[in-house]
Order: sequence, then structure tokens, then C-alpha cells
Amino acid sequence: EAQVTQNPRYLITVTGKKLTVTCSQNMNHEYMSWYRQDPGLGLRQIYYSMNVEVTDKGDVPEGYKVSRKEKRNFPLILESPSPNQTSLYFCASSARQGGYEQYFGPGTRLTVT
Amino acid sequence: AQSVTQLGSHVSVSEGALVLLRCNYSSSVPPYLFWYVQYPNQGLQLLLKYTTGATLVKGINGFEAEFKKSETSFHLTKPSAHMSDAAEYFCAVRSSGGSYIPTFGRGTSLIVHP
Repeated sequence: EAQVTQNPRYLITVTGKKLTVTCSQNMNHEYMSWYRQDPGLGLRQIYYSMNVEVTDKGDVPEGYKVSRKEKRNFPLILESPSPNQTSLYFCASSARQGGYEQYFGPGTRLTVT
Repeated sequence: AQSVTQLGSHVSVSEGALVLLRCNYSSSVPPYLFWYVQYPNQGLQLLLKYTTGATLVKGINGFEAEFKKSETSFHLTKPSAHMSDAAEYFCAVRSSGGSYIPTFGRGTSLIVHP
């Protein structure tokens, strides 16, 4: 089954404790992205990647890091989480065919206290 | 630059009534347009898309949208709402020939009353 998986689905952590949210896709897509979703603000792009070892900042990259060492994986790293990073996070992947329609993961709800 | 405006953060309809969710975009080049749906506690899934060709696009669950270039709109409609249509709906635009990065609207929450 074609899918994007994210782990963990729920995470509660404390300010300053480094964490990683994993994202993996099994569709051999070149493009992958991370978004955060906040009430009233819709989806905002954090980082995206056009291929292995190629990443770039989205609209709200501050406080986040990413890496793309393998085509299927695109982890999101919070080196020193802060309460304003409490949000719902989505990973997505897409390919050139179909106009880059995106396939989304199920989401990770992060709470930073 | 590209942008998306979804009119109305909440739309409320009765079961069986017409659903109309509005989306206007701006794009300097011909756009690719998408509608995504997000059911409670789930990720987004593609409802329908316009890339080229026929301007009236049919999607899943009886939804359709029409690309109107002169109005820069891509409104989503369904003739008869079901309770199961209650969800968050996002319109997105990507400029063809440009960056791969799509721009999303802020979303419209569809509420369906019995």
C-alpha cells in the first residue's frame, strides 16, 4: 500500500529536549515536505526537499532542521524545542507526475511544556 | 508569487443541501489547483485537482470544482451534503513551470447539520 508514515503520532516533551520526528514514504517520490498546522493559520511549510541531499527552507524554518540522506526518509529535528513549537506536524511527499499532488502522513501532535 | 484565499473559515449546511466552498488564487503563470480534505484526526488526502484540459474536474465522494481563469477561482461544490462530509477543506495552488512548492489556503471547516 502506498503511504507516508510518521512516528511518533503523539509526543509530549519539555523545553530544550532534542527530538526527532521520522517520516518515510514507499512511493519512490523525489519531493518531500514538512508542514505545521495551527488553528486559523492553515498549513505552513517548514522545509522541503527536492531529492537526496537537497533541502531548502519553507515559510517557517526557524527552530527546525531536516536531512535527506535516503530518498524514502525525511526526518524533522527540533534541537531545542520551545512551547511555540507545540503544533500538529505533517510530512508529505510528491512526484512530478500528476502535477506534484501531495501524499500526506497521518500527522504528529507535538506538545512542548 | 502565488497565493490562495478561501472565503469563510466555517461553512454550515443542512444535510441534503448544496455545498459551496470558495477558493480564489493568484498566480503569475498557469496554475495547478488542488482541493484536499482532512477528516478529524487524520492527514490530508487529495479530493480533486486541475492541471490542464477540462476545466470542470470531478473528484471523490461526489465533489467537483471548476477552474475559471477569468475569475481566478476554483470553487468546490457538491449537490447534496452528507453528514460524512463534515471535515476541513484546503485549497492549494502551484504555479506550473515554477517552483514545486504549493501554497495552501487557511482552510474551511464544513459543518453539516441533520
